[in-house]
Amino acid sequence: DGGITQSPKYLFRKEGQNVTLSCEQNLNHDAMYWYRQDPGQGLRLIYYSQIVNDFQKGDIAEGYSVSREKKESFPLTVTSAQKNPTAFYLCASSILAGGQAFFGQGTRLTVV
Amino acid sequence: GENVEQHPSTLSVQEGDSAVIKCTYSDSASNYFPWYKQELGKRPQLIIDIRSNVGEKKDQRIAVTLNKTAKHFSLHITETQPEDSAVYFCAASSGSSNTGKLIFGQGTTLQVKP
Repeated sequence: DGGITQSPKYLFRKEGQNVTLSCEQNLNHDAMYWYRQDPGQGLRLIYYSQIVNDFQKGDIAEGYSVSREKKESFPLTVTSAQKNPTAFYLCASSILAGGQAFFGQGTRLTVV
Repeated sequence: GENVEQHPSTLSVQEGDSAVIKCTYSDSASNYFPWYKQELGKRPQLIIDIRSNVGEKKDQRIAVTLNKTAKHFSLHITETQPEDSAVYFCAASSGSSNTGKLIFGQGTTLQVKP
């Protein structure tokens, strides 16, 4: 929302490929999150980071990896180990961990 | 682990009626409870939130109530309008070990019929 940007909006992946989803924020927020959204299943937490160079697994971290080298950036890599990666991916950030979260516009990933 | 249950999954009301969505949470240390509205193809947007030191909060046609003893909170929308049609998500901030992660419910699809 406002200062949080995800790219690309649409992404197509072939079987066995790794792909990286970008998330950048200029809100000076410490905390950043990645969620996966599937129809009828709400938002499930993949990874989150409260501070630079630190991150924790969420409920569905298997097959995903992240890095937090800069405060502004929290990229998500969907690896070939993720067996069902087709979904809508949402990045979010908040001033403090667990506070009001602002979402990016999302990336729709499709396996072809 | 932490869990948030949301009901109902779908809700259909006539324009002008009220809508109520309920959520329960498992982590007694949770202290922040936001509600988000997501229109089709768009990002979730915060519509109202409440902290654990408050029992009720109201913003025009929207209100949220919190019962910490029972570990449940509810969203109330009065005088519903067609533009209220969307998916609504509740969330709870897990305060365990200061992790501060937001856990979401499964969502409620609200349809307001003109």
